[in-house]
Amino acid sequence: GAVVSQHPSRVICKSGTSVKIECRSLDFQATTMFWYRQFPKKSLMLMATSNEGSKATYEQGVEKDKFLINHASLTLSTLTVTSAHPEDSSFYICSCNTGGGYEQYFGPGTRLTVT
Amino acid sequence: EDQVTQSPEALRLQEGESSSLNCSYTVSGLRGLFWYRQDPGKGPEFLFTLYSAGEEKEKERLKATLTKKESFLHITAPKPEDSATYLCAVQDNYGQNFVFGPGTRLSVLP
Repeated sequence: GAVVSQHPSRVICKSGTSVKIECRSLDFQATTMFWYRQFPKKSLMLMATSNEGSKATYEQGVEKDKFLINHASLTLSTLTVTSAHPEDSSFYICSCNTGGGYEQYFGPGTRLTVT
Repeated sequence: EDQVTQSPEALRLQEGESSSLNCSYTVSGLRGLFWYRQDPGKGPEFLFTLYSAGEEKEKERLKATLTKKESFLHITAPKPEDSATYLCAVQDNYGQNFVFGPGTRLSVLP
């Protein structure tokens, strides 16, 4: 299967600061990457779809100015949580589609804690 | 609007006790139904894709089946290492997005 990495795996930041999370496809090129967030014992909620070289498409209710997504290359997408607040604390997961099929391959996730 | 439900919410099995997990869906034109396994604190791990009613896929102790309204994940003679949350998701013919179900938390006791 395809390998997707995320960095960092865990981050703790203070309220009001910004945090950047990286998502990389390691052994394939990903035209499209997806960003999800997951609360404890809940399922994945899609935040946005990131296409290389173009603006991300955000789901209803997700603030694009707060969750900045940059898909600068076919192997890297970044999610920046700006002016983070405690309610932004969550598990953020990215996924990629290889283009060879419809399935998505997920990264290991990033645990964000805002104090 | 595409919707996915899963049952049961949680399932406890003894090692070797076979069972099935259910994923019911409504979608306007199914492109694919996907099963994932998620361990605590990890990202989902891809298991299967099913495209059309009647299709079946197998991998070790797992077998996934699909009808026009639901999918089953059958677990035969499970082992403790099969303990995880199992998620299903659907994708319709009109976009790239997945809609995930809430998952079934499976615990297999030795």
